[in-house]
Amino acid sequence: GDSVTQMEGPVTLSEEAFLTINCTYTATGYPSLFWYVQYPGEGLQLLLKATKADDKGSNKGFEATYRKETTSFHLEKGSVQVSDSAVYFCALSGDTGNQFYFGTGTSLTVIP
Amino acid sequence: DTAVSQTPKYLVTQMGNDKSIKCEQNLGHDTMYWYKQDSKKFLKIMFSYNNKELIINETVPNRFSPKSPDKAHLNLHINSLELGDSAVYFCASSQIQGAVGYTFGSGTRLTVV
Repeated sequence: GDSVTQMEGPVTLSEEAFLTINCTYTATGYPSLFWYVQYPGEGLQLLLKATKADDKGSNKGFEATYRKETTSFHLEKGSVQVSDSAVYFCALSGDTGNQFYFGTGTSLTVIP
Repeated sequence: DTAVSQTPKYLVTQMGNDKSIKCEQNLGHDTMYWYKQDSKKFLKIMFSYNNKELIINETVPNRFSPKSPDKAHLNLHINSLELGDSAVYFCASSQIQGAVGYTFGSGTRLTVV
């Protein structure tokens, strides 16, 4: 069945460091891919998405490219800030639209 | 202006009690969901519901039951609460079942003592 695997955390970075959070997926057909962010004490918010191969989703300085050849959707940011400290979830929606799968979440802490 | 709102935000109750968590969305979405997030931040789908179909995760105890008075509301009722039910519960909605992403509520932190 469809699934998402993301790197385990926690991840701790210094401010202005480069961030990569790996996400790979298994799916039949042509899924849509998402990154959600959960700030402390809040619900999940959609950060970015990509609906087809080679699409790049971007928002708030974060980027992720839908790589069908490597079945990956890695999240990157060139220079993290303390305010980026949160839990990040990779997610997949099957091409039939009736299943949604979340990764296990990666906790990021950015220190000044 | 809140898109998906849940109440209460915090709920502390004793074992054996029955409680409900309410969820409302004003986005006009046709599908709503309940998720449980454990202490390790792992998200588990509990239910998805639209005006045609209720899909229940078969691992969810039947003490949990969703109730939808209309398309904009999906409440979660829990009978005979147990210590292991302590978690954060999130309501979410989407326009088409999962295809364009979900909008989440801010969560209800349930503590069973």
